[in-house]
Amino acid sequence: QVQLKESGPGLIQPSQTLSLTCTVSGLSLTSNSVSWIRQSPGKGLEWMGVIWRNGGTDYNSAIKSRLSITRDTSKSQVFLELNSLQTEDSAMYFCAGSWFAYWGQGTLVTVSS
Amino acid sequence: DIQMTQSPSSLPASLGDRVTITCRSIQDIGNYLRWFQQKPGKSPRLLIYGATNLAAGVPSRFSGSRSGSDYSLTISSLESEDMADYYCLQSSESPFTFGAGTKLELK
Repeated sequence: QVQLKESGPGLIQPSQTLSLTCTVSGLSLTSNSVSWIRQSPGKGLEWMGVIWRNGGTDYNSAIKSRLSITRDTSKSQVFLELNSLQTEDSAMYFCAGSWFAYWGQGTLVTVSS
Repeated sequence: DIQMTQSPSSLPASLGDRVTITCRSIQDIGNYLRWFQQKPGKSPRLLIYGATNLAAGVPSRFSGSRSGSDYSLTISSLESEDMADYYCLQSSESPFTFGAGTKLELK
């Protein structure tokens, strides 16, 4: 069955770069897009960006200058890098595949010194 | 960016009620509209895609419709397990954008 699982540091300091991994099984990255979505505590969902099946990317305008999404198809992993972190970047981060039909459980990121 | 205006933000309802949540887009998004359900502490779950298509495994009491630039999610007869937050998402044009969400709660 299809599974997506996010992993990351949990706690990270302001100004640093966040690196998250989405490990995908049961879904080919060359046939499916994967998006990253985040949700600040008590707030709504925010789409961050997507890596398309051809490897191209699109990003949320508000964070485009700080965000990079890449992948390693051989390992079936999608990566998110968000730099110049601020406390407002504290959130649950989700990856979702196959046009949002499948979601990971999310990984909580806290930005704090 | 395409802004999705979702209403209401909060919806008190009783079990058995018929409830409707709406998203409006000023720009044309065709039928590129999805609806999600999110329960506390859980990941979102896809309910509706293509504005009107029921996702796999979703109960038939859920339905999606479109009237012009207004997109609606309707639950025909509310059950206790439907108490959750609901979000729309437009995927017509990047950047994709979510509605602000609707909290469905017991009256």
